[in-house]
Amino acid sequence: GIQVEQSPPDLILQEGANSTLRCNFSDSVNNLQWFHQNPWGQLINLFYIPSGTKQNGRLSATTVATERYSLLYISSSQTTDSGVYFCAVDSGGGADGLTFGKGTHLIIQP
Amino acid sequence: ETGVTQTPRHLVMGMTNKKSLKCEQHLGHNAMYWYKQSAKKPLELMFVYSLEERVENNSVPSRFSPECPNSSHLFLHLHTLQPEDSALYLCASSPAGAGYEQYFGPGTRLTVT
Repeated sequence: GIQVEQSPPDLILQEGANSTLRCNFSDSVNNLQWFHQNPWGQLINLFYIPSGTKQNGRLSATTVATERYSLLYISSSQTTDSGVYFCAVDSGGGADGLTFGKGTHLIIQP
Repeated sequence: ETGVTQTPRHLVMGMTNKKSLKCEQHLGHNAMYWYKQSAKKPLELMFVYSLEERVENNSVPSRFSPECPNSSHLFLHLHTLQPEDSALYLCASSPAGAGYEQYFGPGTRLTVT
């Protein structure tokens, strides 16, 4: 099956800093999503981005499908950005499940 | 996101108990999924239902039994679980077909004693 690798596994930053999270995947994809998991376990949809670039406020994402990677950018970090960020992909046809990376644990210190 | 709800949010059960997890989606989707997140493994797919038919069973033990009575509801029936089954169980939904965005419920945190 498809492999998903996220880096870095852990990231500690000061409030106001910028960060880049990376997701590499081993095969072509129909779907790529970025999620933020809050402390209660809820997965919050950040981006649906199988290709191209999207922006939403301080967050943006880019997927280069031909090179099999995606990047999540967080600018002017706030303490509320802390948590685990997951990349997940779907490479099959029909209604397939997502394959998740192990996540990046982000801590934003005040 | 309140489009996908799960009950109960927390569950403690003994190894000989039988319980069920419930998921309901209000997004008009027709594919639903169960995922498991345990402390020692990344999020992993358990089951996929599309148009109320099971299309994928990701090698899950038979002590987990899914049920999808209609496109809005999904259940996970649990029996004779093991302590290592303690985990966060997440439900998701999407339109059926290739590559649609999935939306997740808040999860049920299960502890097996």
